Amino acid sequence: DSGVTQTPKHLITATGQRVTLRCSPRSGDLSVYWYQQSLDQGLQFLIQYYNGEERAKGNILERFSAQQFPDLHSELNLSSLELGDSALYFCASSVDQQNTGELFFGEGSRLTVL
Amino acid sequence: QKEVEQDPGPLSVPEGAIVSLNCTYSNSAFQYFMWYRQYSRKGPELLMYTYSSGNKEDGRFTAQVDKSSKYISLFIRDSQPSDSATYLCAMSESGGGADGLTFGKGTHLIIQP
Repeated sequence: DSGVTQTPKHLITATGQRVTLRCSPRSGDLSVYWYQQSLDQGLQFLIQYYNGEERAKGNILERFSAQQFPDLHSELNLSSLELGDSALYFCASSVDQQNTGELFFGEGSRLTVL
Repeated sequence: QKEVEQDPGPLSVPEGAIVSLNCTYSNSAFQYFMWYRQYSRKGPELLMYTYSSGNKEDGRFTAQVDKSSKYISLFIRDSQPSDSATYLCAMSESGGGADGLTFGKGTHLIIQP
């Protein structure tokens, strides 16, 4: 158990809908990262927050947004969903913003868009 | 050309064999190199971390980085069925946080009992 908690584990929704994925980082970790994993693209970095502030942005679509709250949990919002958004979404945490590269991953939220 | 290339496998070897997993990359600015292991329906977990070129050993695992060739390897000695998983190489220009990690697509490894 990595200590990173993600909910929901599975989510099925329709095109055009909006969903929110939630992540609680390991106790004491200030950085939260979101990654998308699909069969054809592999693990893609979406966005990073550090202590409530956006720290880095990767291949995140404009339809997607995230935030980190004062209690350090994070939410990833996906809107106007398309079939191609079906993927595993992982949250990871680390103790600071530039560390050894050791990220602790949650077990992921599997999103299916029908 | 993708930034990080990794053979997806599957790679199937008998128990006890030495396994060699590899990645090539194109971005010469990568300085930090990692190997993550991902079991089915689980998140990736860090196995090995290396800065710049050289070797690093941890138990049955050895990571090698050759920056001149833009090539990294993970060796597993005395492979066990519990090593069956997908192995992802990852790399970054900074310490892994500021610009996110760039992952290979992973090699699916099967250790036959």
